[in-house]
Amino acid sequence: EDQVTQSPEALRLQEGESSSLNCSYTVSGLRGLFWYRQDPGKGPEFLFTLYSAGEEKEKERLKATLTKKESFLHITAPKPEDSATYLCALRSYNTDKLIFGTGTRLQVFP
Amino acid sequence: EAGVAQSPRYKIIEKRQSVAFWCNPISGHATLYWYQQILGQGPKLLIQFQNNGVVDDSQLPKDRFSAERLKGVDSTLKIQPAKLEDSAVYLCASSLERQGNGYTFGSGTRLTVV
Repeated sequence: EDQVTQSPEALRLQEGESSSLNCSYTVSGLRGLFWYRQDPGKGPEFLFTLYSAGEEKEKERLKATLTKKESFLHITAPKPEDSATYLCALRSYNTDKLIFGTGTRLQVFP
Repeated sequence: EAGVAQSPRYKIIEKRQSVAFWCNPISGHATLYWYQQILGQGPKLLIQFQNNGVVDDSQLPKDRFSAERLKGVDSTLKIQPAKLEDSAVYLCASSLERQGNGYTFGSGTRLTVV
């Protein structure tokens, strides 16, 4: 069964304190690994798609990496405006749909 | 470009009542999805449309949930009768292609069943 597990559930960081969020997955055949940001009261906002092990993508203070079993979202020198829930999702070759994890709730304090 | 529009933003109903949610996707997006997000969980697909045809409704509780996308544009999701466990945010998303590189989500409708 295709599955996504995210850790930690919640993370509190001081402004400027870098860290990483983990997304472990099992899938029959990976078509894509997605990262989304979700602010309270809003729908998820697309950040990245990764397709193969070894691939990396960056956007401002965020960098996403992918291995055959995990993806990491690295946050460098975070700011309070990076506070949000970060969702990981996968798409397999069997279906069009995205299977989401439960998310990591990030809080960055000044 | 305008985003995915959803209404209403909030709805409170009693159990056994019926409710309907509306979604207007981004213009030209052929693929439309309805997801259910229960508090503290990730979104779960309920139904996927390609134009006005259903691609995947395997996780839609068909005894109480129904959805349609007439003319391949707007979509409506209905629950009848509602149960307490239906309390959730209902998210609509659209993409240009079936295997599009990241959907665009609407802000959702928060349903509370009391």
